[in-house]
Amino acid sequence: AQTVTQSQPEMSVQEAETVTLSCTYDTSESDYYLFWYKQPPSRQMILVIRQEAYKQQNATENRFSVNFQKAAKSFSLKISDSQLGDAAMYFCAYRGLSYGGATNKLIFGTGTLLAVQP
Amino acid sequence: EAQVTQNPRYLITVTGKKLTVTCSQNMNHEYMSWYRQDPGLGLRQIYYSMNVEVTDKGDVPEGYKVSRKEKRNFPLILESPSPNQTSLYFCASSLLATRSNEKLFFGSGTQLSVL
Repeated sequence: AQTVTQSQPEMSVQEAETVTLSCTYDTSESDYYLFWYKQPPSRQMILVIRQEAYKQQNATENRFSVNFQKAAKSFSLKISDSQLGDAAMYFCAYRGLSYGGATNKLIFGTGTLLAVQP
Repeated sequence: EAQVTQNPRYLITVTGKKLTVTCSQNMNHEYMSWYRQDPGLGLRQIYYSMNVEVTDKGDVPEGYKVSRKEKRNFPLILESPSPNQTSLYFCASSLLATRSNEKLFFGSGTQLSVL
């Protein structure tokens, strides 16, 4: 079974600084997607960034980028120029594509609570 | 506006009193699912549905029921709630994913407390 591990329950960063959130996963599949979701205090689940496993290039979305290391099964999220609005719970998630991949099921990590200090 | 609507947002109930959390989407999505979120455990899938009258268990289905009589609605039913079902619940929907990446749309969550 696939698993997703986030080993940092909490992290803190100064405003305007850079922070990296870690995520590792375990799978025997070769084809899959990885995601980072942001959950602010409003509880809304907001997709931050996604990565297709077959793409070697790391995904970027404005101040958010990932370091995808497929062989190491590592998928970290880097937030540059941190802003107060980045304070939230961040979840790493995996979606496998075996067996047709028809179920859009996500397997989530346990989350990292990010605080941004002014 | 494309959205997944869950109701209620907050619910406090007592052990054994049947309840239903509603979920409705306006995007004509085939796929719908329910997750529960617990501290230290992340989100875990409860049930999912690939289309009308097609439902299947996720990873933590015990104590829950679902139905999919209409494409837009996917209610979550707790027939005899227990305190260990106190959790934050999310409904999500998307087009059928096959091998592409179909964006998963989440509802705004239902915080359930079972006393």
